[in-house]
Amino acid sequence: AQSVTQLGSHVSVSEGALVLLRCNYSSSVPPYLFWYVQYPNQGLQLLLKYTTGATLVKGINGFEAEFKKSETSFHLTKPSAHMSDAAEYFCAATGANSKLTFGKGITLSVRP
Amino acid sequence: KAGVTQTPRYLIKTRGQQVTLSCSPISGHRSVSWYQQTPGQGLQFLFEYFSETQRNKGNFPGRFSGRQFSNSRSEMNVSTLELGDSALYLCASSLEQEETQYFGPGTRLLVL
Repeated sequence: AQSVTQLGSHVSVSEGALVLLRCNYSSSVPPYLFWYVQYPNQGLQLLLKYTTGATLVKGINGFEAEFKKSETSFHLTKPSAHMSDAAEYFCAATGANSKLTFGKGITLSVRP
Repeated sequence: KAGVTQTPRYLIKTRGQQVTLSCSPISGHRSVSWYQQTPGQGLQFLFEYFSETQRNKGNFPGRFSGRQFSNSRSEMNVSTLELGDSALYLCASSLEQEETQYFGPGTRLLVL
């Protein structure tokens, strides 16, 4: 069975600092990988996705993620955090069917 | 294009009652998936419908059921509500299976 691991439950960074949110997947076959963001009292918004091809994926709001098959990782980064980035971030994977398997999520706080 | 819409946005029910939640996918999307989000269990897959047929089902009791109509709109029903059913229920739609899923704002259900 597929699983997605997001280490830690909370990350705090200063405004302007690098954001790094880690995600590892467990699958014998590289799945499709996604990062979603959830703001309070809202649904999930797609940040970016990896299906095939280029391993460095650029998403919205300046976020990007790199698929590393050798490390089974798909970490999310942003060079410079903004106050508006404060939210909960979910890494997810899907395989042959359309069932999304989510990580536990990680809350990002941005300090002024 | 309009996004995924879910109604109602908020619901309060009492134990033993039943509830029906509705989801209208993005125009042209034929796959609709449902997820339950709770603080303790995170995001869990309920089921997925494609062209009016249930294609995948998660590990939830039979009290949770769903259906999809010919216009791709979907409903999920929970019978004999329990306190533990209090959650945010999210609907997501995609063009086909394995495609990117786009989420609605969710229905927040509180069972008293």
